[in-house]
Amino acid sequence: ETGVTQTPRHLVMGMTNKKSLKCEQHLGHNAMYWYKQSAKKPLELMFVYNFKEQTENNSVPSRFSPECPNSSHLFLHLHTLQPEDSALYLCASSETGGATDTQYFGPGTRLTVL
Amino acid sequence: GQNIDQPTEMTATEGAIVQINCTYQTSGFNGLFWYQQHAGEAPTFLSYNVLDGLEEKGRFSSFLSRSKGYSYLLLKELQMKDSASYLCAVVDSNYQLIWGAGTKLIIKP
Repeated sequence: ETGVTQTPRHLVMGMTNKKSLKCEQHLGHNAMYWYKQSAKKPLELMFVYNFKEQTENNSVPSRFSPECPNSSHLFLHLHTLQPEDSALYLCASSETGGATDTQYFGPGTRLTVL
Repeated sequence: GQNIDQPTEMTATEGAIVQINCTYQTSGFNGLFWYQQHAGEAPTFLSYNVLDGLEEKGRFSSFLSRSKGYSYLLLKELQMKDSASYLCAVVDSNYQLIWGAGTKLIIKP
């Protein structure tokens, strides 16, 4: 069973659309993360949830809205996106949310905003 | 500011050895990670170093020098499947994880 799954794997949306990305972890971890990965740039941490509570929001525009209904599921709701938001969106989980925890990543959603 | 430097791209030959360097300037240090990411796939954990020295795991080894702000990942007996990006990340004194932009490694037959 794959540890961290993400759906959809690919998404193309217009700037006026609303869509959601889903992430599920089967590792029994308590922390989940959303990252943005753009070509030749470092991973950008967007949000962190620890025991379902948001513990970090790195100045992410409000057009990105996270939701964590339980420790196993994480969503990223998208609305009124811009072309510069096109990127690979990675979900990850870790045992406790500590920075020295190993993070386990999903395969990502490749998002294209037209 | 906080900074992590890695070469953007490297090329090596199958069967050879390659060393991928990572230098960092961060506010403090609480550990350094290496992750491997194949194209279109999830990053996967390779190593975590918090003390100086070399740690070996099969064909892969990771080295850390805290006084020099320097780490390297050493890959031996390169295989085609080692073609991937290698991400370096440092835990700073505030326990924030600072990521490098990654090194794309191309293996040629």
